[in-house]
Amino acid sequence: DSGVTQTPKHLITATGQRVTLRCSPRSGDLSVYWYQQSLDQGLQFLIQYYNGEERAKGNILERFSAQQFPDLHSELNLSSLELGDSALYFCASSPGLAGNYHEQYFGPGTRLTVT
Amino acid sequence: QQQVKQSPQSLIVQKGGISIINCAYENTAFDYFPWYQQFPGKGPALLIAIRPDVSEKKEGRFTISFNKSAKQFSLHIMDSQPGDSATYFCAATQPGGPTGTASKLTFGTGTRLQVTL
Repeated sequence: DSGVTQTPKHLITATGQRVTLRCSPRSGDLSVYWYQQSLDQGLQFLIQYYNGEERAKGNILERFSAQQFPDLHSELNLSSLELGDSALYFCASSPGLAGNYHEQYFGPGTRLTVT
Repeated sequence: QQQVKQSPQSLIVQKGGISIINCAYENTAFDYFPWYQQFPGKGPALLIAIRPDVSEKKEGRFTISFNKSAKQFSLHIMDSQPGDSATYFCAATQPGGPTGTASKLTFGTGTRLQVTL
C-alpha cells in the first residue's frame, strides 16, 4: 500500500458526461501528479500540482482540468467525455523536500469506462 | 516523441533465471531513473531507482545497471520467481523546480514479464 488513495475505483459513464476523480496524497506529500494509462498511449503525464499551485502540464486535453485543495487532496475533472477517454487514471504523490523528492508513489487508480 | 525506449515488449523466463529489461533515453537532462512494477489492476509501485552518477545499484534480487555515455540503463532480476510476473516500466525525470519538487515521469512502454515454473 503506497499510502495514496483514489476514489472511485471504477466509474462507468456515458459519452458527453462529466466525472470527477479524487486523490488523497501520502501524509506529508505536497506534490500531486495525474497520469493516464491506456493500451495505445501507455502511461502519460497529465498535470502536476504542488501545495495548491499548478506546476506542470502534460498532454492534458482542454476538456480536462484539475485542482489541489488546501488539505492537499486533488480532483481531476473530465468533461464532455468521449469513448477514447476510457482509461486508467492514476494519481501519484511525492514529498516537497530536497533529497527524496524525486520518488513518486502511485495510488491504485480509477478505471474509467465511457460507453 | 518517444523519449524513453524500452525493450523487450514481453519476456518469458524460467524460475530461477535472470530477467533483463533494457531502456534507452534521449534527454540528457534526465537525472533520476526509477523502475516501476505493476500488477494487473494495481498502480505502478516504485521498485528501485538510480541517479546517473552511479553505474550500478542493487537492492535484493533487483539490480539497475546504468551506462551514462550510451544513455542506457537496464533492470536485472536475479533468481526470478513466479511472483515477479508483472509489467515493468522504466522511467526518467528531470531536475525539479526551485523548491525541489519533482518533475513529471516519462515512462517507457513497459515489459510484460512472465516467470514460468
